[in-house]
Amino acid sequence: SQTIHQWPATLVQPVGSPLSLECTVEGTSNPNLYWYRQAAGRGLQLLFYSVGIGQISSEVPQNLSASRPQDRQFILSSKKLLLSDSGFYLCAWGPGLVGPDTQYFGPGTRLTVL
Amino acid sequence: AQKVTQAQTEISVVEKEDVTLDCVYETRDTTYYLFWYKQPPSGELVFLIRRNSFDEQNEISGRYSWNFQKSTSSFNFTITASQVVDSAVYFCALSEAGRQKVTFGTGTKLQVIP
Repeated sequence: SQTIHQWPATLVQPVGSPLSLECTVEGTSNPNLYWYRQAAGRGLQLLFYSVGIGQISSEVPQNLSASRPQDRQFILSSKKLLLSDSGFYLCAWGPGLVGPDTQYFGPGTRLTVL
Repeated sequence: AQKVTQAQTEISVVEKEDVTLDCVYETRDTTYYLFWYKQPPSGELVFLIRRNSFDEQNEISGRYSWNFQKSTSSFNFTITASQVVDSAVYFCALSEAGRQKVTFGTGTKLQVIP
């Protein structure tokens, strides 16, 4: 069966510091991968998605970036965090079939920027 | 453009009551997919159901049932005999055929009181 991991689970970072969140998927090949952010009490905002190694689509221009160095690894980064980057970050994977994915989510990373 | 509206922000019910969560969507496509996800307090989104636009049959899974009506662009979710473990935020989502992006509603927070 497939599993998705995210780490760290929680993170407290000062404004201006760098960020690296990691997501890995097991038990599947060539998945579509997604990064979402959920601000407190709000819905999900798609940040990035990837249909293959090195292929990244950005949905929202901001100070975040994403990379996919391996087939089942997806990394969310920032060079300098802002207060507004605080939130709950969720990684998801989909089977990469033709048409929209059913997305399966990881446990999330709760980021607080102080 | 696609849009999902969950007008109910929060609902409280007493255990064993039935509860219906509303979802109204907008899309120009004739082929699309609808989803429901559950987000318990732990934060991880749990996939519940996926429905395509050509299948209007209602679905029942245990205490859960879904009513899809294209005429009113609605995909409502009913929990029968609610339990405390049903307390969570529930998200309705929409994706158009051929697109990777899934648009989520803002969620409905359900509290089941013992």
